[in-house]
Amino acid sequence: DGGITQSPKYLFRKEGQNVTLSCEQNLNHDAMYWYRQDPGQGLRLIYYSQIVNDFQKGDIAEGYSVSREKKESFPLTVTSAQKNPTAFYLCASSMGGGPSGANVLTFGAGSRLTVL
Amino acid sequence: KQEVTQIPAALSVPEGENLVLNCSFTDSAIYNLQWFRQDPGKGLTSLLLIQSSQREQTSGRLNASLDKSSGRSTLYIAASQPGDSATYLCAVRFLMDSNYQLIWGAGTKLIIKP
Repeated sequence: DGGITQSPKYLFRKEGQNVTLSCEQNLNHDAMYWYRQDPGQGLRLIYYSQIVNDFQKGDIAEGYSVSREKKESFPLTVTSAQKNPTAFYLCASSMGGGPSGANVLTFGAGSRLTVL
Repeated sequence: KQEVTQIPAALSVPEGENLVLNCSFTDSAIYNLQWFRQDPGKGLTSLLLIQSSQREQTSGRLNASLDKSSGRSTLYIAASQPGDSATYLCAVRFLMDSNYQLIWGAGTKLIIKP
């Protein structure tokens, strides 16, 4: 079945550590996105990539980094510079589109990061 | 700055009732609007997409309406079932500076009591 796989589902981090969240898709989508979801707030765009080896900052990119070496993969690194990293992180993909994606956005199941 | 607001943040109703979820936005120059469903600890599933030229879309027991002039969309759920319990998110696509931006509401958590 085609879809997006995010791992790990739950992750605990000590302050000062970098962690990497995995996102893999087998939908042959060109564009991939990382969103952050916090209670009581709408999803916020962290980074997006419209093509391999290219990515753009979203609204809250500070303290995060990404890479897009393969079409299928778009890992997100939460660095120690991110002051408040505890959140639910969602990866999405679409056939095209800029920062908003095409009309059909497919989401992964999410990764919950908790900083101890 | 475009904003998307969903009120109430949470709603609990008995099974079988018809209900309406609300989404309001600050800019009438929208491109389209989508309603999503999110189950606890899960990703999002798209329910309905309304283009700016449309007034409503229907899928099964769900009906979404769009009133650009008043900056409002509603999601109507008929004959609610416990399986409808989830968080419902509204996302509005705006055209800003030659790019489309997707602005999300915070969601309404819906609980259908058996």
